[in-house]
Amino acid sequence: EDKVVQSPLSLVVHEGDTVTLNCSYEVTNFRSLLWYKQEKKAPTFLFMLTSSGIEKKSGRLSSILDKKELFSILNITATQTGDSAVYLCAFVIQGAQKLVFGQGTRLTINP
Amino acid sequence: EPEVTQTPSHQVTQMGQEVILRCVPISNHLYFYWYRQILGQKVEFLVSFYNNEISEKSEIFDDQFSVERPDGSNFTLKIRSTKLEDSAMYFCASSLLGLQRANYGYTFGSGTRLTVV
Repeated sequence: EDKVVQSPLSLVVHEGDTVTLNCSYEVTNFRSLLWYKQEKKAPTFLFMLTSSGIEKKSGRLSSILDKKELFSILNITATQTGDSAVYLCAFVIQGAQKLVFGQGTRLTINP
Repeated sequence: EPEVTQTPSHQVTQMGQEVILRCVPISNHLYFYWYRQILGQKVEFLVSFYNNEISEKSEIFDDQFSVERPDGSNFTLKIRSTKLEDSAMYFCASSLLGLQRANYGYTFGSGTRLTVV
């Protein structure tokens, strides 16, 4: 059965710290991996990763995919309290339209 | 920035009642989706809809569920006879391209919290 596991489940850091969130997957017919940020309600899209080794970057956030070792990481540098959220990773298999989500990492940034 | 709009934000219904959750996707989008998230659990796929028909559905999406795009702007999810276990946050989403062609994820609405009592 296809699955995605995120770690850690919960992380508390101080403002200004750098964090690395992990997402490992076991998926047949893998196409893409996506990262979303979920604050109070709707998940908001961060990155889609399809190719191995190519870093995607948006401001203080970056992400990379390793298709050989079957994982992705999401880095956030110089964290701010507004980064507090649940970070979700999800995969897409070839030919499908659905996202299969992991359980999320709850990140709390303390001032 | 365009948004996916969902109404109501919170609905309370009695077990056995029918509910209709409403969504207005982004206007030029072609693919539409419903997901749900039971409190404390993962976000789960329910159904995808393209070209006026269901393109994919999960095991959760049984005969009690149906979707409709009645007028070219709204996209609805109907639950025919609600059960206690249907209590969850229901998210609508839309995208211009399907996930097989897009290089970005789809846009979610802010959700309808359904409470079945």
